[in-house]
Amino acid sequence: AQTVTQSQPEMSVQEAETVTLSCTYDTSESNYYLFWYKQPPSRQMILVIRQEAYKQQNATENRFSVNFQKAAKSFSLKISDSQLGDTAMYFCAFFRVVGGADGLTFGKGTHLIIQP
Amino acid sequence: NAGVTQTPKFRVLKTGQSMTLLCAQDMNHEYMYWYRQDPGMGLRLIHYSVGEGTTAKGEVPDGYNVSRLKKQNFLLGLESAAPSQTSVYFCASSHLSYEQYFGPGTRLTVT
Repeated sequence: AQTVTQSQPEMSVQEAETVTLSCTYDTSESNYYLFWYKQPPSRQMILVIRQEAYKQQNATENRFSVNFQKAAKSFSLKISDSQLGDTAMYFCAFFRVVGGADGLTFGKGTHLIIQP
Repeated sequence: NAGVTQTPKFRVLKTGQSMTLLCAQDMNHEYMYWYRQDPGMGLRLIHYSVGEGTTAKGEVPDGYNVSRLKKQNFLLGLESAAPSQTSVYFCASSHLSYEQYFGPGTRLTVT
């Protein structure tokens, strides 16, 4: 079984600053995907970014980028030029490709607060 | 294109009552999932389905049953609700089974 750990229960930064959210995972799988989901107060789960384990290049989506360190089993999310609308819970999630129909494994989340 | 919808959005049950949560998707996805989210926790998988007529247990299946009689619908049943089942329930679907699309959630309170 795999586990996902998010060690920062809450973070707070000023608007326009850059913030990095940490995620580590433990697995014996070699083929997997990693995700960051955002959950605003509306509670809707929104996919932020996806990383395939076989790709060495870090994924980027506009202001969001990841630092994927496969050997260290680390998958951090960097948000640049943070905005008030980025305030939300952020969840790191793992999906194993082989037999992976059994769903995502989530971390406990980081509550990110962007201060004006 | 509504995506993934869940019915109802809110529900209050008394201990021992039963209910069914309905998830519907209009994206022709093969895979469907039910998760629960408790305070301070990420989402945990209850049951999932890889196709019409098939279901399987996830991480926390006890006290729940599911059915997938039609490809577009995935039902989650509570036969005898308990206070420990107070939670927010999310349904998700996917075509390729890694990128999941989530419904808006159902907040269930069992008193």
